[in-house]
Amino acid sequence: DIQMTQSPSSLSASVGDRVTITCRASQSISSYLNWYQQKPGKAPKLLIYAASSLQSGVPSRFSGSGSGTDFTLTISSLQPEDFATYYCQQSYSSGPTFGQGTKLEIK
Amino acid sequence: QVQLVESGGGVVQPGRSLRLSCAASGFTFSSYGMHWVRQAPGKGLEWVAVIWYDGSNKYYADSVKGRFTISRDNSKNTLYLQMNSLRAEDTAVYYCARRSVTPPSGYYYYMDVWGKGTTVTVSS
Repeated sequence: DIQMTQSPSSLSASVGDRVTITCRASQSISSYLNWYQQKPGKAPKLLIYAASSLQSGVPSRFSGSGSGTDFTLTISSLQPEDFATYYCQQSYSSGPTFGQGTKLEIK
Repeated sequence: QVQLVESGGGVVQPGRSLRLSCAASGFTFSSYGMHWVRQAPGKGLEWVAVIWYDGSNKYYADSVKGRFTISRDNSKNTLYLQMNSLRAEDTAVYYCARRSVTPPSGYYYYMDVWGKGTTVTVSS
């Protein structure tokens, strides 16, 4: 199985900050990497697919980069509605796996 | 609009069975693969199973292999998850999600539509 490791596990930041979340795969997954946002009591929402493609309707302050084993999700200027938990997910194998999540909290 | 609605959750004793359903609307269900993903209380997301658009291929997480069965009825636009021999560690919110692929290459897969989830509690 491909293991996905996110860092940090939690992060405190302020509105307007630039934030970066990292995701590392246990083996090369090319660009088969997606990012999701989840708010409490809600279903996950797709933000980024294929490592760097912005899902329709997602604000442009979200961006993704990376390939191989190392990936990043960047939020250029945090907005109040961005405080949530973020998950990376590999789709390289038939059995996709998620990272453990990064909880983004208000400082 | 594009929508997935799960149902069938509830409280069940260990060792018993439960069948979840996911009703799809607003898109051509028979053209998409579908996933089940679960989330235990206070925990992260765990992929459970996937089925190809035509039911020809199915894959399972090791944690549910041999106990859970994913299936679909394209005539009813419905996805199912049959859960047998349930354990306390199967307690979770269960989501169904659509398996989409990047056009036109068809290389990269992602889960772009999610239901709101149905809660399964396994307890005596």
